[in-house]
Amino acid sequence: AQSVTQLDSHVSVSEGTPVLLRCNYSSSYSPSLFWYVQHPNKGLQLLLKYTSAATLVKGINGFEAEFKKSETSFHLTKPSAHMSDAAEYFCVVSGGGLTGGGNKLTFGTGTQLKVEL
Amino acid sequence: NAGVMQNPRHLVRRRGQEARLRCSPMKGHSHVYWYRQLPEEGLKFMVYLQKENIIDESGMPKERFSAEFPKEGPSILRIQQVVRGDSAAYFCASSTDRRGPNEKLFFGSGTQLSVL
Repeated sequence: AQSVTQLDSHVSVSEGTPVLLRCNYSSSYSPSLFWYVQHPNKGLQLLLKYTSAATLVKGINGFEAEFKKSETSFHLTKPSAHMSDAAEYFCVVSGGGLTGGGNKLTFGTGTQLKVEL
Repeated sequence: NAGVMQNPRHLVRRRGQEARLRCSPMKGHSHVYWYRQLPEEGLKFMVYLQKENIIDESGMPKERFSAEFPKEGPSILRIQQVVRGDSAAYFCASSTDRRGPNEKLFFGSGTQLSVL
């Protein structure tokens, strides 16, 4: 069984300040972890993924996330927020299901990021 | 190379009607996944299909919902006798037939189903 918990449903930051979106996971397998972003009226876009290589993962648009097994966390960060970062962000864990792995994804409930001037 | 194409973008149905949602995977992709996003919730896995085969339907409601991915043409998610609780955004994703950690899902823009 696997699950993911996004600790904040809404986060508001000022442009130019750091972003922290928190995610904790639970998985019976060695998980693959992802962050996806969904802009209004658009499909999901993959920001970054962790697949048991380096624990600090760099993604697109200046985002990165650190896998911490001891804390079962995979928080998403960005040093300086931009107005275009305003969107909904989903933390996702992969693995499990009838196929024994593969791409059955379990999504968190999402964090809405608001960026203010 | 076009991405994953879903249509229609918006679909309005009255209670009791049928809804058919279509998904054309990316070129070269033979695996299709359907997810549902209910209001205020994250996406939930529904079904995983390969060409002409349902691989994992553990997330599909037992009644009224069905999915297919024929040899030719798009994948279809079919909801019979829709109810208001079926109102949601339905997302399709596709991937190649390679397995493992480097496999990547590409998502469509979704179909917003509204049941009146």
